[in-house]
Amino acid sequence: RKEVEQDPGPFNVPEGATVAFNCTYSNSASQSFFWYRQDCRKEPKLLMSVYSSGNEDGRFTAQLNRASQYISLLIRDSKLSDSATYLCVVNANYGQNFVFGPGTRLSVLP
Amino acid sequence: NAGVTQTPKFQVLKTGQSMTLQCAQDMNHNSMYWYRQDPGMGLRLIYYSASEGTTDKGEVPNGYNVSRLNKREFSLRLESAAPSQTSVYFCASSERDAQPQHFGDGTRLSIL
Repeated sequence: RKEVEQDPGPFNVPEGATVAFNCTYSNSASQSFFWYRQDCRKEPKLLMSVYSSGNEDGRFTAQLNRASQYISLLIRDSKLSDSATYLCVVNANYGQNFVFGPGTRLSVLP
Repeated sequence: NAGVTQTPKFQVLKTGQSMTLQCAQDMNHNSMYWYRQDPGMGLRLIYYSASEGTTDKGEVPNGYNVSRLNKREFSLRLESAAPSQTSVYFCASSERDAQPQHFGDGTRLSIL
């Protein structure tokens, strides 16, 4: 089993839709969690950290379920500019243990 | 504020050639990383440096060497390039271990 797994998609949604991505991780010692977005042929950029109690940043909501070892990202009112690949990142204490998921591709359609 | 700067942005090599990828950050970060990204594989850690003067192997270190020249700079060297090293290479930095990483815009390397 891979350490971090994501549905590869693509998710094709109309503008204004709500879309959710899930990510599962296998290392129960994982301590910190992040969502990054990566545009085509660009570098990954931090979207948001994921906190135990869940957190929201505008249209984006992240949730963590430690018992089931998954994190989620919800995007409300999708915009065309949200089209990108979303990377789930899990860290188990030290820099060498940052593990990136393969990413979920989102296309928001007009 | 440039953030993380990588050079070159593109490079084509022949099998057996050597080259060094350069990375510099101006955020006074302690930790720096080198990743490679291949289609369908996600980013994989090659080497990282938790702080100036230290380096450690990541998931895929074979065929690479690194140097943490000072706090700002972290270089990646391919001693004898192989076609399997064709990839996009990203350098990243973070304030310290386990903190969110900031990425450079990548080096696209093709080895023929």
